[in-house]
Amino acid sequence: AQSVTQLGSHVSVSEGALVLLRCNYSSSVPPYLFWYVQYPNQGLQLLLKYTSAATLVKGINGFEAEFKKSETSFHLTKPSAHMSDAAEYFCAVKEKNTPLVFGKGTRLSVIA
Amino acid sequence: ETGVTQTPRHLVMGMTNKKSLKCEQHLGHNAMYWYKQSAKKPLELMFVYNFKEQTENNSVPSRFSPECPNSSHLFLHLHTLQPEDSALYLCASSYEGSGANVLTFGAGSRLTVL
Repeated sequence: AQSVTQLGSHVSVSEGALVLLRCNYSSSVPPYLFWYVQYPNQGLQLLLKYTSAATLVKGINGFEAEFKKSETSFHLTKPSAHMSDAAEYFCAVKEKNTPLVFGKGTRLSVIA
Repeated sequence: ETGVTQTPRHLVMGMTNKKSLKCEQHLGHNAMYWYKQSAKKPLELMFVYNFKEQTENNSVPSRFSPECPNSSHLFLHLHTLQPEDSALYLCASSYEGSGANVLTFGAGSRLTVL
């Protein structure tokens, strides 16, 4: 069965600094991979998804993620953090015909 | 109205009450989901409906009873809940059959059980 591990329940960066949120997955078949973001008092919103096309995936709000099969990773990055990026970020994995499996989430704080 | 709409946004109930959460989607999706989000825990999938048929029930206690009368509406009926059931309940929908199956979430219903 597929699973997701997000390293670090809380990440803090300075405004303008690089954002790196780590995600490793386990899957017996080529998976679909996702990053979702949750702002306070809201539901989850799709940031980006990997569906076996290009390994570098660009999403909304300047975020991108790179699928690395050899490392079973799908880390999320953004070159320059903005105050509005403060939120909870969830990595998720899906195999065909199975439900989506979420990681525990990483809370991103941005310091002025 | 577009997207996934959940009502009520906040609900406080006693352990002997009966209440319902409602979810509505206007995206033309054919699958709907209930998730439970508790503090410091991963998102828990509770129920999945595909084409109005329940396809997942992840060992959810019977005090939670889902209902999907059509592909646009999903309810979660609540009765004799426990304080540990206090959580954010998220509804989502997707178009099943597209492979990647991207979920669109509602804003959630914050439930407090006294």
